[in-house]
Amino acid sequence: ILNVEQSPQSLHVQEGDSTNFTCSFPSSNFYALHWYRWETAKSPEALFVMTLNGDEKKKGRISATLNTKEGYSYLYIKGSQPEDSATYLCAFNAGNMLTFGGGTRLMVKP
Amino acid sequence: EPEVTQTPSHQVTQMGQEVILRCVPISNHLYFYWYRQILGQKVEFLVSFYNNEISEKSEIFDDQFSVERPDGSNFTLKIRSTKLEDSAMYFCASSEMAGEITEAFFGQGTRLTVV
Repeated sequence: ILNVEQSPQSLHVQEGDSTNFTCSFPSSNFYALHWYRWETAKSPEALFVMTLNGDEKKKGRISATLNTKEGYSYLYIKGSQPEDSATYLCAFNAGNMLTFGGGTRLMVKP
Repeated sequence: EPEVTQTPSHQVTQMGQEVILRCVPISNHLYFYWYRQILGQKVEFLVSFYNNEISEKSEIFDDQFSVERPDGSNFTLKIRSTKLEDSAMYFCASSEMAGEITEAFFGQGTRLTVV
């Protein structure tokens, strides 16, 4: 059983705050690390697929880094907005399936 | 924008009944998946499917579960005799290639309630 952990489980921030959360995963048999954004009543939406140690990816105000040797990835949101409120899931890919973390539920207050 | 669609959005069934959850993956995708999330728990992998056969399955995917691609567009998950603990949100996903480096696109899910 692969252990993929995310922290914190939930986070409340004020509009304009920058925030970050962590995904830790096994450092062996690594293929890729996926980040998803999941709003209530919608499909999980892919943010990033990261494959190389040291990868940094950015989409607007959201960015992510990857360290495959120590088995962690950080997701950063700069200047949080209420529309960023969602659950952020990471998923470890070691082949034909994704193993998900428990998610970080972000709530941004106006 | 192409999307994965799932029907129904919510299904209530009696324990012991068979249910079929339906998915229409994105048309040029070759790999299909079912995941589920029991309320309050992590999203869990059930099964992956490629070239008309199962390529991986988890321990959850026992003999009560089966998948099928009956007509080249639909991808179904059948639970033969539902149990209370099968109550969960079931997500279908598809990807162009094996999911190592390509993103999987998810449907909105089917909430299954077994009573």
